[in-house]
Amino acid sequence: GAGVSQSPSNKVTEKGKDVELRCDPISGHTALYWYRQSLGQGLEFLIYFQGNSAPDKSGLPSDRFSAERTGGSVSTLTIQRTQQEDSAVYLCASSPGGGFVYEQFFGPGTRLTVL
Amino acid sequence: GQQLNQSPQSMFIQEGEDVSMNCTSSSIFNTWLWYKQEPGEGPVLLIALYKAGELTSNGRLTAQFGITRKDSFLNISASIPSDVGIYFCAGVDNAGNMLTFGGGTRLMVKP
Repeated sequence: GAGVSQSPSNKVTEKGKDVELRCDPISGHTALYWYRQSLGQGLEFLIYFQGNSAPDKSGLPSDRFSAERTGGSVSTLTIQRTQQEDSAVYLCASSPGGGFVYEQFFGPGTRLTVL
Repeated sequence: GQQLNQSPQSMFIQEGEDVSMNCTSSSIFNTWLWYKQEPGEGPVLLIALYKAGELTSNGRLTAQFGITRKDSFLNISASIPSDVGIYFCAGVDNAGNMLTFGGGTRLMVKP
């Protein structure tokens, strides 16, 4: 079946602009996660959605970052007033749910470059 | 926050050789996971370990959850070119609320 999909695959933007990154989780998965991967680094947790519960935003690095999940499915990560240090690959993952399930299925990521 | 130290950072080996990489932490983790990431893709789960001392195999891959719950290793036997990629360890803390990733081991295999 279809895996996690993300769009766009690449995004180049100018410093100060806003960007929106989209994630389509695996159908039926109730948990959705966003991570950031800087060049040559591991994955940094950003935000976690579980069903209709309030999201865990503890990993968001600043108030310029926000995320929504509509209808318990598609999620959008928004970065306002982008900075050069925001350049990274943004990965989305989903899992079947039931709390923080560890076997997460990742999308291919969106590579963001802020000039 | 918690840190996972993964080593080595990179390895360049000959096809057919065995590979070993490990992760250590100053804190206890309840679950250890090993992922592989290929260029342009997201990480894919290879092995999950849920109990201290657990030794689990998946084909040519073997991973162990350390007795102290502060470390884990991954071995790849008889490496092949398609093993190339970045291998990440990840741990889940006592609260079970967050997945912490190591910095990754970049594996390169020479045919």
